[in-house]
Amino acid sequence: AQSVTQLGSHVSVSEGALVLLRCNYSSSVPPYLFWYVQYPNQGLQLLLKYTTGATLVKGINGFEAEFKKSETSFHLTKPSAHMSDAAEYFCAVSGLNSGNTPLVFGKGTRLSVIA
Amino acid sequence: EPEVTQTPSHQVTQMGQEVILRCVPISNHLYFYWYRQILGQKVEFLVSFYNNEISEKSEIFDDQFSVERPDGSNFTLKIRSTKLEDSAMYFCASRDPGPPYFGPGTRLLVL
Repeated sequence: AQSVTQLGSHVSVSEGALVLLRCNYSSSVPPYLFWYVQYPNQGLQLLLKYTTGATLVKGINGFEAEFKKSETSFHLTKPSAHMSDAAEYFCAVSGLNSGNTPLVFGKGTRLSVIA
Repeated sequence: EPEVTQTPSHQVTQMGQEVILRCVPISNHLYFYWYRQILGQKVEFLVSFYNNEISEKSEIFDDQFSVERPDGSNFTLKIRSTKLEDSAMYFCASRDPGPPYFGPGTRLLVL
């Protein structure tokens, strides 16, 4: 069984400040981990993913995330927030080597960027 | 870049009516999914489909729901008798076997 916990339903940062969105997962098998972004009235866009290999993964729009097995975490960061980063962010997990395993999503974190 | 498409983008229906939501997955993908997102809540898995049959479904996916791949390109979700609580954004996704790619969603409103 798998689950995802996203700490903080709403995070607010100033433009240019560090963005840190927290994600912890639970998985009985080695996980695939994902971050998706949802802009208002739009679908889910893949930001980045971790499967195997390097634990620091880089995604689009300057975001990156680090897989820490010992902490069962996959926090999303961006060094400098931009106004266009305001959106809802979802962390998700599925089972490694389980091509058909559906994703389990966290409840999402709404990121606000203040000018 | 290939993308998943969904139609319609919005649908309003009366309680008890049947609705069909349509999706065109990415052409070389083999795994297909439907998820839903009730307003303000998290994205929830409904059903997965592989090799022309349901491979997994959640407890949400009861007898009112059905899925079909009527031809080589479309993937549909049918809700036979809609309820108020079916109002949500419905996302289609496909994968093979990397990360799922999601469509833009269909916003369903049941009155």
